[in-house]
Amino acid sequence: GQQVMQIPQYQHVQEGEDFTTYCNSSTTLSNIQWYKQRPGGHPVFLIQLVKSGEVKKQKRLTFQFGEAKKNSSLHITATQTTDVGTYFCAGPILSGTYKYIFGTGTRLKVLA
Amino acid sequence: ETGVTQTPRHLVMGMTNKKSLKCEQHLGHNAMYWYKQSAKKPLELMFVYNFKEQTENNSVPSRFSPECPNSSHLFLHLHTLQPEDSALYLCASSQELGLATGELFFGEGSRLTVL
Repeated sequence: GQQVMQIPQYQHVQEGEDFTTYCNSSTTLSNIQWYKQRPGGHPVFLIQLVKSGEVKKQKRLTFQFGEAKKNSSLHITATQTTDVGTYFCAGPILSGTYKYIFGTGTRLKVLA
Repeated sequence: ETGVTQTPRHLVMGMTNKKSLKCEQHLGHNAMYWYKQSAKKPLELMFVYNFKEQTENNSVPSRFSPECPNSSHLFLHLHTLQPEDSALYLCASSQELGLATGELFFGEGSRLTVL
């Protein structure tokens, strides 16, 4: 079946360092979304990418969608303690259903 | 406040109990979802409803029974669960139809413990 993998599974960084998580799908995605889940919280939508090769920025966060629409990345510049949480990518399969496949997630810990 | 409310927030039940989780969305969305999140697995899609009609059952055991009486409410009826069913159950909704290009709005989840 379709799988969406993320690496790394865990990442500890010192505050101020950069962080990147990578998302890889076994199938082509029509679009990809990114979510953040704070410890003890629920996933919150960050952004959606639709076009092949698309790059979007939100302040210190940069999101990319691969040319083949099978991979994506999230890069955080100069991490802050507020960036702590688990970052998930998610994409709908092309079956015409409303089925979002979530990645395995990357848990980020920022050390002050 | 996400616009998606789940109750109860915490639930402890025995394996022979019957309980229900409730989800209500105030966003005017047409699609609603149940996801399971356990410690060792990513978010697992369980069920999808669109305009009250079930469009997806992701091979979920029959001890989980969903119900969607209208586009704003979603229930998950639980009976004869197993300890491995202990997890955070997340409800979500989205606006878009078709190929689902809308973002998901999640509730805060119901933390279920099965003894």
